[in-house]
Amino acid sequence: AQSVTQLGSHVSVSEGALVLLRCNYSSSVPPYLFWYVQYPNQGLQLLLKYTTGATLVKGINGFEAEFKKSETSFHLTKPSAHMSDAAEYFCAVSGAAGNKLTFGGGTRVLVKP
Amino acid sequence: AAGVIQSPRHLIKEKRETATLKCYPIPRHDTVYWYQQGPGQDPQFLISFYEKMQSDKGSIPDRFSAQQFSDYHSELNMSSLELGDSALYFCASSPGLAAYKEETQYFGPGTRLLVL
Repeated sequence: AQSVTQLGSHVSVSEGALVLLRCNYSSSVPPYLFWYVQYPNQGLQLLLKYTTGATLVKGINGFEAEFKKSETSFHLTKPSAHMSDAAEYFCAVSGAAGNKLTFGGGTRVLVKP
Repeated sequence: AAGVIQSPRHLIKEKRETATLKCYPIPRHDTVYWYQQGPGQDPQFLISFYEKMQSDKGSIPDRFSAQQFSDYHSELNMSSLELGDSALYFCASSPGLAAYKEETQYFGPGTRLLVL
């Protein structure tokens, strides 16, 4: 069984500031980890994923995340926030290809000018 | 690039009515997943199909049923609709062939169902 916890349901950052979204997971098998972004009234878009190999993964729009097995974490960062980053971000885990995704509760990001 | 297509995009129904949601996966994707996202909630897994067979089942009510057809499209049938069924229903697809099993699920834009 898997579960995901996202710390902070809302995050407010200033434009140009660091974006840090926290995700901790629980999994009984080596996890596949994902970050998805959801803009208002839209579907889920994949930002990045970790399956195996390099623990620092880079995604679209300048985002990256680091898989830390010892901390069971997969935090998402972006060095400099843009207004267009305002959206809801979901961390998700699965146990294998073809398996269901289990999502965290989501973090809504607000970017202030 | 082709994406997952869902229809209709919006649907309004009365209580106790039925609804059918359709999902057309990305070409050559043979695995389809359905998720339900209630207002302010995270997506919850409902059911999935691989090669037209149910592969996993989540928190799908008995009033709901789904299937995958020979062309790999899938339909979610919802009967005796309740107010609590109002939600955004996502379909996702992934290539599930043994030789090319990919872990990424590609999501459609969703169908927003409102039950009055």
